[in-house]
Amino acid sequence: GAGVSQSPRYKVAKRGQDVALRCDPISGHVSLFWYQQALGQGPEFLTYFQNEAQLDKSGLPSDRFFAERPEGSVSTLKIQRTQQEDSAVYLCASSLRSVDSTEKNIQYFGAGTRLSVL
Amino acid sequence: GQNIDQPTEMTATEGAIVQINCTYQTSGFNGLFWYQQHAGEAPTFLSYNVLDGLEEKGRFSSFLSRSKGYSYLLLKELQMKDSASYLCAVKRYGGSQGNLIFGKGTKLSVKP
Repeated sequence: GAGVSQSPRYKVAKRGQDVALRCDPISGHVSLFWYQQALGQGPEFLTYFQNEAQLDKSGLPSDRFFAERPEGSVSTLKIQRTQQEDSAVYLCASSLRSVDSTEKNIQYFGAGTRLSVL
Repeated sequence: GQNIDQPTEMTATEGAIVQINCTYQTSGFNGLFWYQQHAGEAPTFLSYNVLDGLEEKGRFSSFLSRSKGYSYLLLKELQMKDSASYLCAVKRYGGSQGNLIFGKGTKLSVKP
């Protein structure tokens, strides 16, 4: 079956421009995560959805970042008034169960969107 | 707080064995994952340990010692395609921050 799909793969934005990044998780997966990955670093948590509910947005770096998952499947990460420090790869992951599951609940990742802000 | 340490870079020779170490300090430990990430690609799941000991899966094995806050990933019979970053990630109870905390990754270069 299909894995996690993200689009676009690459996005170049001028400083101050708004961008929207899309994530299609694996069908039936309850949990959806957004991460930010800087060059040479590990993924850093941004936000988490359980179905359509955004249960944790503690990792969003500022109020310019906004995420939604209105029907509990596709998710969009929006960044308003982009700045150069927003340049990074944005990864989306999904898992079958909620985060409070005691099972291993593997997170499956998409290939990410590489955002470059000029 | 939480802290995960792994070497930044390692180099090894094709056909050899390499061990990538990961040490962690975290509250509410509930398992440790290893992911492989080729440049420009998605991280892919390699292994999961929640109990102490060694888990073997083909050429890859992963070890965990919870009392020492230590894990390693062992890659045998290295192939050129194993050149990638290897991410150690700790799972925590409670689900805060998505409950997976990643290290910075170890970039492995396999040379002929």
